[in-house]
Amino acid sequence: GQSLEQPSEVTAVEGAIVQINCTYQTSGFYGLSWYQQHDGGAPTFLSYNALDGLEETGRFSSFLSRSDSYGYLLLQELQMKDSASYFCAVRDRAGGFKTIFGAGTRLFVKA
Amino acid sequence: DTEVTQTPKHLVMGMTNKKSLKCEQHMGHRAMYWYKQKAKKPPELMFVYSYEKLSINESVPSRFSPECPNSSLLNLHLHALQPEDSALYLCASSQGGYGGGNTEAFFGQGTRLTVV
Repeated sequence: GQSLEQPSEVTAVEGAIVQINCTYQTSGFYGLSWYQQHDGGAPTFLSYNALDGLEETGRFSSFLSRSDSYGYLLLQELQMKDSASYFCAVRDRAGGFKTIFGAGTRLFVKA
Repeated sequence: DTEVTQTPKHLVMGMTNKKSLKCEQHMGHRAMYWYKQKAKKPPELMFVYSYEKLSINESVPSRFSPECPNSSLLNLHLHALQPEDSALYLCASSQGGYGGGNTEAFFGQGTRLTVV
């Protein structure tokens, strides 16, 4: 089966940098995605890593180390609107290329 | 058009009712998904359709019946649901079919289902 671990909550101030970690266990790892979800909204894709290293998209960056089964999402220049839940999601080829979500990290950005 | 459209947005149904949830995308995506999400929980995969064929059923009870009439549409037929089935039902699509391609998934806004 698959399992993912990420912190349940993170609090930071506006303008700061925050890192949300994700560790995973899976038999057929294919890639790691990150999604943002605001209360009452739909998950929105942020980034995807299939290979080791850093992917940068504006204020958001995502990192993957396949040897460590570890990734993180880095959010820079935090804004109030970044308060949301952030899910890491593993794409796993075992059982047919499923995308399985972690439990989510609730980010609170304070003024 | 980068939207996945779900209807209805809200649905209240009795345990003996039959209803359907609808999902539509016009991005040419070949994979479509149904997820169930309870409050403060992650989306849970229910079904995956790839090239209009059911490729994954995550041991979902038969009271949920998916249907993919064509490459743009995905339905979820509901019958004899239980109160614990109340949740947000999310539809998503992605470009690649079974096994690969661009894995970015676009989600609809969901149908908030209440079973009474």
